Amino acid sequence: DILMTQTPLSLSVTPGQSASISCKSSESLLHSNGRTYLYWYLQKPGQSPQLLIYEVTSRFSGVPDRFSGSGSGTDFTLKISRVEAEDVGFYYCMQGLRMPGTFGQGTKVEVK
Amino acid sequence: QLQLQESGPGLVKPSETLSLTCTVSGGSITSPGSFWGWVRQPPGKRLEWIGSVHYSGDLHYNPSLTSRITISRDTSNNEYSLRLTSVTAADTAVYYCARDKGQWLVDSWGQGTLVTVSS
Repeated sequence: DILMTQTPLSLSVTPGQSASISCKSSESLLHSNGRTYLYWYLQKPGQSPQLLIYEVTSRFSGVPDRFSGSGSGTDFTLKISRVEAEDVGFYYCMQGLRMPGTFGQGTKVEVK
Repeated sequence: QLQLQESGPGLVKPSETLSLTCTVSGGSITSPGSFWGWVRQPPGKRLEWIGSVHYSGDLHYNPSLTSRITISRDTSNNEYSLRLTSVTAADTAVYYCARDKGQWLVDSWGQGTLVTVSS
């Protein structure tokens, strides 16, 4: 299985500041079709995960533009600009290149 | 609006079979392009993809669980089910049903149901 490793495991951010989460995969997520299958999810307290970003940089429907993704190959970053109180929760990266889809261990984001 | 709802027992005894059903509304499980699957999250651990059934009926299972899982569907009731045999405490988790748009891209989740394996 492809191993997904996130850092840091927890983050405390002041409202209005930015935050970044790193995700590294054990092998390149670039498919032969030219697409890179790296996703980001947010699980808010007491809720199911929700899709934020797909294929590294594309924001899912309704996701604020404060969320942005970047990276390539094996190294990826989720950036949250202008953090708001509603952004608290666990953030997970996930690879969709190879069966089975695998998740990172999660990054807990707290807002001060 | 697509909605997925899990149902099933919250407590299962060790060595027995876990059975869950996902009822889908606001969309059809036979609509082209989607996989209908299961993801679980053991307490304090990362999310784990279990398996899925394609709109065509093809099945895809996590190799680590394939000997113990069966996913089936009931198209007349627009629902699909998970059976996990020979459960142990390690199978205690919140189980989510989820729509996968391909390449394990889950864009819609159920609310999740906690299943505890204990005698």
